[in-house]
Amino acid sequence: DIQVTQSPSSLSASVGDRVTITCQASQDISDHLNWYQQKPGKAPQLLIYDASILERGAPSRFSGSYSGTHFNFTVSSVQPEDFATYYCQQFQNLPRMCIFGQGTRLENK
Amino acid sequence: EVRLVESGGGLVKPGGSLRLSCEASGLTFSSYAMSWVRQVPGKGLEWVSGISGSGNIRHYAESVKGRFTISRDNSKNTLDLQMNSLGVDDTAVYYCTKDRARAFDVWGQGTVVSVSS
Repeated sequence: DIQVTQSPSSLSASVGDRVTITCQASQDISDHLNWYQQKPGKAPQLLIYDASILERGAPSRFSGSYSGTHFNFTVSSVQPEDFATYYCQQFQNLPRMCIFGQGTRLENK
Repeated sequence: EVRLVESGGGLVKPGGSLRLSCEASGLTFSSYAMSWVRQVPGKGLEWVSGISGSGNIRHYAESVKGRFTISRDNSKNTLDLQMNSLGVDDTAVYYCTKDRARAFDVWGQGTVVSVSS
């Protein structure tokens, strides 16, 4: 089975900072990785799909990229509403299953 | 606007059963695969089960295989999760999600399942 390792588990930043979260896949998954934001007491929200495509309605300060099995999620300029937990997620076909990363809590420094 | 509303959560004793439901609106329901994702309070997300748009293909996480059954009624736009032999580790918020290719693009608000004696 494919494993996904997300880091860091927590991150402190100030408004205006640029931050990056990473997910490392244990094998080649092409661009099949998505990123979600979750605020306390709320359901997760899809931000980036297929590694780098911005979901409709998501702010353009969010971006994703990848090289091989290494995936990055970047917030170019953190806004107050961005303090939340972020998850990566990958779907594998054989066997059909879904894996979430461990999550990264973005906190206000 | 696509909307998913879960129901059926509650308190159940270990070994008991519970049936969750999700009512979908604002979409051609039968066109989309659907899934259940759960989250233990204060912990991360765990995919539980998924079902194809027609309902004839189902997948389960190893942690629930043989105990949970996912189903759907496309005439009523509903998705269900029958949960049997519940254990304390099944305590979580359960989310209904709409699948789009390999992502979950719409989520319900969640329903809380508590397994405790």
